[in-house]
Amino acid sequence: ETGVTQTPRHLVMGMTNKKSLKCEQHLGHNAMYWYKQSAKKPLELMFVYNFKEQTENNSVPSRFSPECPNSSHLFLHLHTLQPEDSALYLCASSLETSGSDEQYFGPGTRLTVT
Amino acid sequence: GQNIDQPTEMTATEGAIVQINCTYQTSGFNGLFWYQQHAGEAPTFLSYNVLDGLEEKGRFSSFLSRSKGYSYLLLKELQMKDSASYLCAVRDRDYKLSFGAGTTVTVRA
Repeated sequence: ETGVTQTPRHLVMGMTNKKSLKCEQHLGHNAMYWYKQSAKKPLELMFVYNFKEQTENNSVPSRFSPECPNSSHLFLHLHTLQPEDSALYLCASSLETSGSDEQYFGPGTRLTVT
Repeated sequence: GQNIDQPTEMTATEGAIVQINCTYQTSGFNGLFWYQQHAGEAPTFLSYNVLDGLEEKGRFSSFLSRSKGYSYLLLKELQMKDSASYLCAVRDRDYKLSFGAGTTVTVRA
C-alpha cells in the first residue's frame, strides 16, 4: 500500500473516445505528478502540480488535459488519442517539489488505444 | 535535455552481489534517486544521494560522485525477490526529476 491510488487499472479506448484517469493520494502531500512509461523507455514526466497549481507541462500534446481540483486528487482527461499513446500512466506525489522528498507512485493505469 | 544512462539488463545468482551503474549529464544537480519497480507494479523508493559518498540501507547501498556524474546501486546477498527493474533518477537545478530507462535485474537460483 503506497498511499497513492489510481483508477482504472486497465483501460482500452478507441481513438475517438473520451476518458479520464483518476489519481488520489492519502499522504497529505502538496505536489502531484503524471508520468508516461512506455516499454524499454525512461519514465517521461508529463505534468507537475504544486499546491493545485500547474508548474510543469513537459510539451505534452493537448489531447492530454490534466486537472487538479485539490492537493489530494489529480485527473488526466484523454481525447482523440493515438495508438502510440498506449502506455502505463503513473501518478506520483511528494511532500513538495524540492528538497530530499521522494516521490510515491501509484500502481498505474495500463492504457491501450485501438 | 537530460541524459541518464544505465545498463539494460543484468543477471546474478542468489546470494551474490550486483552493482548497477548510472551516469548522468544534467542541467545542474539537486539529488539522485534509486527506485525499484517489480513487473506490473509501481516504482518504490530505495535511496537518495545529494552529497558524495556511500549511503547504506541494509542490503542496499548507493554511491554518488558528483564530479564524475556517476552513481551506483549495490545489492548484496541477492534474493529471488530482488528480481526487478532498478531506475536511476536525477533532479536538475529546477528540481525536475529525469529517469533512466531502468536496469532489469534477474536473480537466478
